Amino acid sequence: GAGVSQSPRYKVAKRGQDVALRCDPISGHVSLFWYQQALGQGPEFLTYFQNEAQLDKSGLPSDRFFAERPEGSVSTLKIQRTQQEDSAVYLCASSFRTGSGNTIYFGEGSWLTVV
Amino acid sequence: AQKVTQAQTEISVVEKEDVTLDCVYETRDTTYYLFWYKQPPSGELVFLIRRNSFDEQNEISGRYSWNFQKSTSSFNFTITASQVVDSAVYFCALSEWNSGSARQLTFGSGTQLTVLP
Repeated sequence: GAGVSQSPRYKVAKRGQDVALRCDPISGHVSLFWYQQALGQGPEFLTYFQNEAQLDKSGLPSDRFFAERPEGSVSTLKIQRTQQEDSAVYLCASSFRTGSGNTIYFGEGSWLTVV
Repeated sequence: AQKVTQAQTEISVVEKEDVTLDCVYETRDTTYYLFWYKQPPSGELVFLIRRNSFDEQNEISGRYSWNFQKSTSSFNFTITASQVVDSAVYFCALSEWNSGSARQLTFGSGTQLTVLP
């Protein structure tokens, strides 16, 4: 597609429920990122993939968070046993090449509310 | 560790006024990249500009201009003749250099700009 596509756009989960958030990056983009954005805050890095390899997961807040990109294109962020503090917007982003100077393009995000 | 500070939480201006959004950053690297993104209510982060640390030349793109000053570690963004459609949250971000792989962006907390008709 023309841009980064994320689904679902909105998700309400009961506390303790597992959720899966999908990201379809821009076609041909090697790098894929997940960010978490709490209300009124800037996005914070969660994890990074180069093709199918997860090269950095230092931002994942706990072992309840898991991300994968098995074929180097679509990625899924999974949150197990959701807690209220997981409520946030989860943004996926991609860039064409590796390297710090490449522009990172963001999707519209998946808005997760845990009740 | 890198850090980005956007001290202005909210700014309101009347249409056609000029407005400057401030961004101050901290990094120990000599090579880095600075970005500005716009986030409208829909939530998508829209890329506006990328500058590298070796290029301090100011840039103008239509009504937008950026002032990069390494001496004060600032990368300020000015909108001239603001319009209602400029209303959004604006984020400044920093990426440090890593020749082996992409580095994640460190964002400021954002500035909510409201342009009143």
